[in-house]
Amino acid sequence: AQSVTQPDIHITVSEGASLELRCNYSYGATPYLFWYVQSPGQGLQLLLKYFSGDTLVQGIKGFEAEFKRSQSSFNLRKPSVHWSDAAEYFCAVVPYQGAQKLVFGQGTRLTINP
Amino acid sequence: ETGVTQTPRHLVMGMTNKKSLKCEQHLGHNAMYWYKQSAKKPLELMFVYNFKEQTENNSVPSRFSPECPNSSHLFLHLHTLQPEDSALYLCASSMPTGHSSTDTQYFGPGTRLTVL
Repeated sequence: AQSVTQPDIHITVSEGASLELRCNYSYGATPYLFWYVQSPGQGLQLLLKYFSGDTLVQGIKGFEAEFKRSQSSFNLRKPSVHWSDAAEYFCAVVPYQGAQKLVFGQGTRLTINP
Repeated sequence: ETGVTQTPRHLVMGMTNKKSLKCEQHLGHNAMYWYKQSAKKPLELMFVYNFKEQTENNSVPSRFSPECPNSSHLFLHLHTLQPEDSALYLCASSMPTGHSSTDTQYFGPGTRLTVL
């Protein structure tokens, strides 16, 4: 079945450490790819998106993501995390052009150690 | 401030109650969505409206009844809910042009629903 997979349910990193959150998708064509962040009790905020072109995408709050077609991945990275980055992160795809459907991964909960 | 507001933010209701969730978007978008976020499950798309017309119903039980009177407002009418319907209900909007490259969805803060 076509899907979006975030293999890590929960990740803990120390403040100032680097971060990588994994996302894999299983759609035949290159989908349109998104990362959203959800702070406790809040809705989803768009961090970044990839449609085409440069495979390294810059987003808000110092985040970036790299699309790798050969690995069907769109991993999110940040060189140095801050305590305020503690939240849940969701990878999502629009599976084909014209679709209005966002398919989400399970989410990765990020905890920051002081 | 995302431009998509939802009220109420929290709602507790009994299984025999009737209540409604409201969503309003101030972004000039033409499409609106309802999603359900349950614990330990991926977000699930429930309904899609384009220019006030329902274009997708993702096999949602009839105890959930959406209404879209105009492109800026979306309601979710609730009746005879079950405890397993307790979840965070998120509204989103977008400006579809037929090219997904511009179909970025913007979300509201959600309504936390508890069914007793």
